[in-house]
Amino acid sequence: EVQLVQSGAEVKKPGESLKISCKGSGYSFTSYWIGWVRQMPGKGLEWMGIIYPGDSDTRYSPSFQGQVTISADKSISTAYLQWSSLKASDTAMYYCVRPSIRGDAFDIWGQGTMVTVSS
Amino acid sequence: DIQMTQSPSSLSASVGDRVTITCQASQDISNYLNWYQQKPGKAPKLLIYDASNLETGVPSRFSGSGSGTDFTFTISSLQPEDIATYYCQQYDNLPQYTFGQGTKLEIK
Repeated sequence: EVQLVQSGAEVKKPGESLKISCKGSGYSFTSYWIGWVRQMPGKGLEWMGIIYPGDSDTRYSPSFQGQVTISADKSISTAYLQWSSLKASDTAMYYCVRPSIRGDAFDIWGQGTMVTVSS
Repeated sequence: DIQMTQSPSSLSASVGDRVTITCQASQDISNYLNWYQQKPGKAPKLLIYDASNLETGVPSRFSGSGSGTDFTFTISSLQPEDIATYYCQQYDNLPQYTFGQGTKLEIK
């Protein structure tokens, strides 16, 4: 079964750093892009960025460029989303997603990781 | 950047009704348009890809149409389990993507 399994919920303070993970299984991890989608409480979906684990080619939405870092470790089939200094406005559910082999539609979603940033 | 305008933002309909949601792109995106369903507390699920293709396992009461800048998502006969928020998504310039604002569908 193809699946993406994300790390657990996090509660952090403003200014702290954080790295959440997404482990792919059931498919060739290096052959598919893997991306991240943010959903703030009660709001819609926002595409953040995406990485191709095969060669680490990474693209960001202009809205998130410089705000987060996306990386991947193909040796353990895991993608990461990282913040160096969290803000309260980073409080959201974060989903990792895998587009189809054509790269067009997100046919596989992780279960989501809730990040809460509060003093 | 391509902007997606989805309407309405919310919709109330009765079981058995035909429901239609529209999505307009700020420029021609051919048929590079997907539709997702998100039920409360769950991750989104792909329903329609390439504007009109039904994802495997999705009931046939769901359909999509359109090309260029104007797209439509239809539920032919609303069922209670269809209560969810629906999103369109464009992918005109891979691997860049944009979601619409979402349409919250409720039962009347």
